[in-house]
Amino acid sequence: AQSVTQPDIHITVSEGASLELRCNYSYGATPYLFWYVQSPGQGLQLLLKYFSGDTLVQGIKGFEAEFKRSQSSFNLRKPSVHWSDAAEYFCAGGSGGSYIPTFGRGTSLIVHP
Amino acid sequence: GAGVSQSPSNKVTEKGKDVELRCDPISGHTALYWYRQRLGQGLEFLIYFQGNSAPDKSGLPSDRFSAERTGESVSTLTIQRTQQEDSAVYLCASSLKTGNSADTQYFGPGTRLTVL
Repeated sequence: AQSVTQPDIHITVSEGASLELRCNYSYGATPYLFWYVQSPGQGLQLLLKYFSGDTLVQGIKGFEAEFKRSQSSFNLRKPSVHWSDAAEYFCAGGSGGSYIPTFGRGTSLIVHP
Repeated sequence: GAGVSQSPSNKVTEKGKDVELRCDPISGHTALYWYRQRLGQGLEFLIYFQGNSAPDKSGLPSDRFSAERTGESVSTLTIQRTQQEDSAVYLCASSLKTGNSADTQYFGPGTRLTVL
């Protein structure tokens, strides 16, 4: 079955430290992959997406993600975290045969001052 | 409007009552999606509209849930005889194209439903 897995429920980092949030997918074909951020009381905002081509994708707010087919991963990274990055992060994926992306259960990012 | 809007932002109701949640998608967006997000959980797909038709209702958890859409605009999600397990945030999203998982979905802020 097609799925997206976020292994980490919570991640805690210090402000200024680097960040990597994990996402693994299970799709037969090349998937479409997304990262969304949800701040408290807000809807989801798209950070970046991967469809094809360059495997390193740049997004908003200084985030990037790298598609690694060999590891079935699409991890989100940021070199230096700001306190305002504290939020819930969702990875989502789909494939050419589907019209509804599948969402991971989310990773809650906590930023310590 | 500039983005997807949802109303009300919060709804508290008593068990057994009916509730209606509203979503205004971005103008011109053909596809509209409803999701449910229980506390600490990911997004659970409920229903998808292409225009005013719903090709996929497979995510609706029971026959107490229904949704409709007027043309390519407003959608309402109705929950009849609410139960405590219906308590969740209900998110609406819209996308420009007609139903493709590659499309970017734009989300509203959600309606937080609490069933007492």
